[in-house]
Amino acid sequence: AQRVTQPEKLLSVFKGAPVELKCNYSYSGSPELFWYVQYSRQRLQLLLRHISRESIKGFTADLNKGETSFHLKKPFAQEEDSAMYYCALRIGGGADGLTFGKGTHLIIQP
Amino acid sequence: SAVISQKPSRDICQRGTSLTIQCQVDSQVTMMFWYRQQPGQSLTLIATANQGSEATYESGFVIDKFPISRPNLTFSTLTVSNMSPEDSSIYLCSGTPLGGHLPDTQYFGPGTRLTVL
Repeated sequence: AQRVTQPEKLLSVFKGAPVELKCNYSYSGSPELFWYVQYSRQRLQLLLRHISRESIKGFTADLNKGETSFHLKKPFAQEEDSAMYYCALRIGGGADGLTFGKGTHLIIQP
Repeated sequence: SAVISQKPSRDICQRGTSLTIQCQVDSQVTMMFWYRQQPGQSLTLIATANQGSEATYESGFVIDKFPISRPNLTFSTLTVSNMSPEDSSIYLCSGTPLGGHLPDTQYFGPGTRLTVL
């Protein structure tokens, strides 16, 4: 079965510092990868997905099939980036549900 | 995009009782899903709610415990039956809207926080 691993439960960085949230997956085929974010007292929302190859709120993520990774990066952290971040995987297209990692709580210190 | 609402937002229930959670979407969605997030854990897919047919359950989840209805393209319910304290979780509904800027994107409801005593 597929699996998503986010090794850091908590990540604390200073404002202006670079951020990297790690995500590794295990699946033998070609999955779709997503990053979802949940700000305090808000619902889970899509941040970005690998097929879009977009930069959202300064965040980017590159799918590395060789390393089976989809790390989320931002060069300069902002205080409003503090949130819970979930990496998720989907294997069957839009008809399938998502497999989530356990999440990383990102805290940006002033 | 799709705006998804859930009722109730939270509830405290006695063991042995059942609770039905409603999920309403403001636009038609092709797929609807139900997830569970136990305390300190990640989201786990319970089932896919199929319109006009039985839900498709993930391993470890059964229809008798989590009956699901989906009578149309904008509404679904999840019932947590014969509850025990282990069922205390946040239950989330999600939907994949028809068309749109990001096809097949799953949008999530705010969740229903269930506590079983």
